[in-house]
Amino acid sequence: AQSVTQLDSHVSVSEGTPVLLRCNYSSSYSPSLFWYVQHPNKGLQLLLKYTSAATLVKGINGFEAEFKKSETSFHLTKPSAHMSDAAEYFCVVARFGNEKLTFGTGTRLTIIP
Amino acid sequence: KAGVTQTPRYLIKTRGQQVTLSCSPISGHRSVSWYQQTPGQGLQFLFEYFSETQRNKGNFPGRFSGRQFSNSRSEMNVSTLELGDSALYLCASSLRRDGVSYEQYFGPGTRLTVT
Repeated sequence: AQSVTQLDSHVSVSEGTPVLLRCNYSSSYSPSLFWYVQHPNKGLQLLLKYTSAATLVKGINGFEAEFKKSETSFHLTKPSAHMSDAAEYFCVVARFGNEKLTFGTGTRLTIIP
Repeated sequence: KAGVTQTPRYLIKTRGQQVTLSCSPISGHRSVSWYQQTPGQGLQFLFEYFSETQRNKGNFPGRFSGRQFSNSRSEMNVSTLELGDSALYLCASSLRRDGVSYEQYFGPGTRLTVT
């Protein structure tokens, strides 16, 4: 069985300040972990993925995440927030080699001008 | 390369009716997965098709079914619609080879409203 817990349902940051979105995972197997972003009335876009290679993963638009097995965490960060980052972010876990994605409940990111 | 396309984008149906949603994957992708997104339950996995065979199934009643054609296009069917079936239905495709999975790319979704 596998699950993810997104620790914050809503995060607000000022434009130009760092972003931290927190995610803890639980998996009986070697996990694949992903972050997806969903802008209003749009589909899901993959930001980055971890599949047992480097533990620090770089994604699109300046986002990155670090896989910490000892803490079962996969937090998403960005050094400097931009207005266009305002969206819903989902942490996702899958069993390596399996297509079934298990989504977290999402974190809504608001950027304050 | 064109992305995942879903048709129709919006649909309004009445309780008791049935509905069919369509998904065309990215060219070359053979795996298609379906997800339901609702405010209350979030994003939930429905099923996955690969090489015209259902490979994974989520915890949904038998009213929800799907199929995949030889060109990898997929359809999802919901029979005897209930108000609770109102949701955004998302389709995703991936390259998937046996034992190895790749990232999934999502379509824009079909917004289904049941009245």
